[in-house]
Amino acid sequence: QKEVEQDPGPLSVPEGAIVSLNCTYSNSAFQYFMWYRQYSRKGPELLMYTYSSGNKEDGRFTAQVDKSSKYISLFIRDSQPSDSATYLCAIGQGAQKLVFGQGTRLTINP
Amino acid sequence: GAVVSQHPSRVICKSGTSVKIECRSLDFQATTMFWYRQFPKKSLMLMATSNEGSKATYEQGVEKDKFLINHASLTLSTLTVTSAHPEDSSFYICSARGGGQGTVNAGYTFGSGTRLTVV
Repeated sequence: QKEVEQDPGPLSVPEGAIVSLNCTYSNSAFQYFMWYRQYSRKGPELLMYTYSSGNKEDGRFTAQVDKSSKYISLFIRDSQPSDSATYLCAIGQGAQKLVFGQGTRLTINP
Repeated sequence: GAVVSQHPSRVICKSGTSVKIECRSLDFQATTMFWYRQFPKKSLMLMATSNEGSKATYEQGVEKDKFLINHASLTLSTLTVTSAHPEDSSFYICSARGGGQGTVNAGYTFGSGTRLTVV
C-alpha cells in the first residue's frame, strides 16, 4: 500500500464549478499536510498547509483534513481557467522528507 | 517569501557528458535540500536529501556515483549527472528547507526545475 494515494485524473470541469481534490494516507503518524500546485514544466508552489484536523480557508481555496479517516481534501471555489494545473498533496512528519501523492491533473474549461 | 533559484531551466547534452544543476536559496539559509526527479505526468520522485556540510542520503535505487550531490554552503546545492545517457532525460527539481524558520510552510520551497535532455 502506498503511503499516499491520489487519483491522477485527469479532471475536467467548467469554469465556476467547485473542484474537490482528495488524498488518502496510511500512516497515522503524519503530522502536517500540504497542497502544491504545479503548472506544466514548472516547480511546485505551495498552496495550503495545515497541521490539524478541520478546515483551513485561503481565498477560493479550502484545505480539509480528517485525521481519523486519514483523508485530506482541497476545494477550489469559483474555479478559473488559470487554476488548470496539476495539484499534488504532500504529507510530512517532523523534519523528515515529504511524501507526495501522484498529482491530479485539473483542467478548467472556459 | 522564501525563494529558491534553480539553473539552468533547460539543458541539452550529449550522451557521455556530465551536467551540473544548481539550486540556490536566495533569501534564507537552507540546512536541507532535496532533489527530485519527475517523469511526464508523474509525481515527484525523491532522489536524495542533502544537509549542508555532510554527505547526501540517497533513496533506494538511486545511483550515488551517477548523481553527485554537493551541499557545500547553506545557500547552494548542486546535482551533477555524470556520464549522462538518454534514459537520464527528465525533469529535475530541487527543494530547500531552512532550519530555525519555525513554521513548516517556510520550508520545502521548490525551484522551478531543470529539463534535461540527453541526446
